Amino acid sequence: DVKVTQSSRYLVKRTGEKVFLECVQDMDHENMFWYRQDPGLGLRLIYFSYDVKMKEKGDIPEGYSVSREKKERFSLILESASTNQTSMYLCASSRRERNYGYTFGSGTRLTVV
Amino acid sequence: AQSVTQLGSHVSVSEGALVLLRCNYSSSVPPYLFWYVQYPNQGLQLLLKYTSAATLVKGINGFEAEFKKSETSFHLTKPSAHMSDAAEYFCAAANTGNQFYFGTGTSLTVIP
Repeated sequence: DVKVTQSSRYLVKRTGEKVFLECVQDMDHENMFWYRQDPGLGLRLIYFSYDVKMKEKGDIPEGYSVSREKKERFSLILESASTNQTSMYLCASSRRERNYGYTFGSGTRLTVV
Repeated sequence: AQSVTQLGSHVSVSEGALVLLRCNYSSSVPPYLFWYVQYPNQGLQLLLKYTSAATLVKGINGFEAEFKKSETSFHLTKPSAHMSDAAEYFCAAANTGNQFYFGTGTSLTVIP
């Protein structure tokens, strides 16, 4: 069964900490995405990557960075976590042609205290 | 520009009743359309997708959706709701320009 795996289901971090959210896919997909999901706001794109070492800003990149050193792995980094980054984070991947659809991971619920 | 509109952020149905979740897209070119389901504290799971082969698409768990070009709609239906259908549902569209758009989601409550 093809998968997108997010390293943590639940995380609690302190304000100011550097936080790494990891995502690995085993489908050899070119594209990978990070979204955050908040009640009433739907899915908001943070960053995406269409190739190794390539990244593009999404709609809400402020306060985040990403890394894609290998095709299968896409990391989201919160340089200095803040309470307004408490959210559900979803990783997804797709083939280069996005009309085949996205495959999502199970999500990481991050709480910043 | 492509956009996806889901009418009704919350829908409640009785167990055994028809489920109808509405989705409209805006585009002059028929896109590729998707419905995803999200159970509490989980990621999104693909329910079904339309890729121009047939206008009535059947998905998992008894759901289906019909593409209506004249109405620019792709509504999701299920004849008889089950308690396990309670979840958040997202409509999404992709166009030939390789853009992908999500609706804001509809939360389905099933009343016993």
